[in-house]
Amino acid sequence: KNQVEQSPQSLIILEGKNCTLQCNYTVSPFSNLRWYKQDTGRGPVSLTIMTFSENTKSNGRYTATLDADTKQSSLHITASQLSDSASYICVVPDASGGSYIPTFGRGTSLIVHP
Amino acid sequence: DAGVIQSPRHEVTEMGQEVTLRCKPISGHDYLFWYRQTMMRGLELLIYFNNNVPIDDSGMPEDRFSAKMPNASFSTLKIQPSEPRDSAVYFCASSFVGSSYNEQFFGPGTRLTVL
Repeated sequence: KNQVEQSPQSLIILEGKNCTLQCNYTVSPFSNLRWYKQDTGRGPVSLTIMTFSENTKSNGRYTATLDADTKQSSLHITASQLSDSASYICVVPDASGGSYIPTFGRGTSLIVHP
Repeated sequence: DAGVIQSPRHEVTEMGQEVTLRCKPISGHDYLFWYRQTMMRGLELLIYFNNNVPIDDSGMPEDRFSAKMPNASFSTLKIQPSEPRDSAVYFCASSFVGSSYNEQFFGPGTRLTVL
């Protein structure tokens, strides 16, 4: 069964500090991996997408990495801000059969304290 | 565009009652997804449509759940009869062929509480 595992489940950091969130997946065949940010009371919003040929991609203070060999991805947040407090969800679609049905991780809940 | 619109935003009902959740996808999108999110299980795909046709409903938990998409701009998810374990946040999302690797755009969700 395709799985997406995220760690840690929750994380509390002080404003201005860096943090790294992890995502391990078993989904095969692999097409892409997407990180979503979900603010409290809202739907998830795409942060970045990693394709097979990409190792690292930055979006402002967010940097995602992908190691397709070990089937791992990380999301690094630099100089955290209070607005970074949210749930971060890793999603890997199942590309078999062309359906691209997404498999979601359960997310990492990040709290940034002032 | 206003994004994906869902209504109601909050619904509180009693066990046994019928609940209908509504979704208006982004204009021009040809895929529509219904999800359920709980603390225990995270986001779960219930059903998705392509060009108004249900493609995969294997995630629908029971026959009490049904979904329709009568046209490209409207979909409903109905629970009849509702049970307390149906309490969750239900999200609708839409996407289109040609979007960046099937990026899905989510609505704000409907928080359902069944007493």
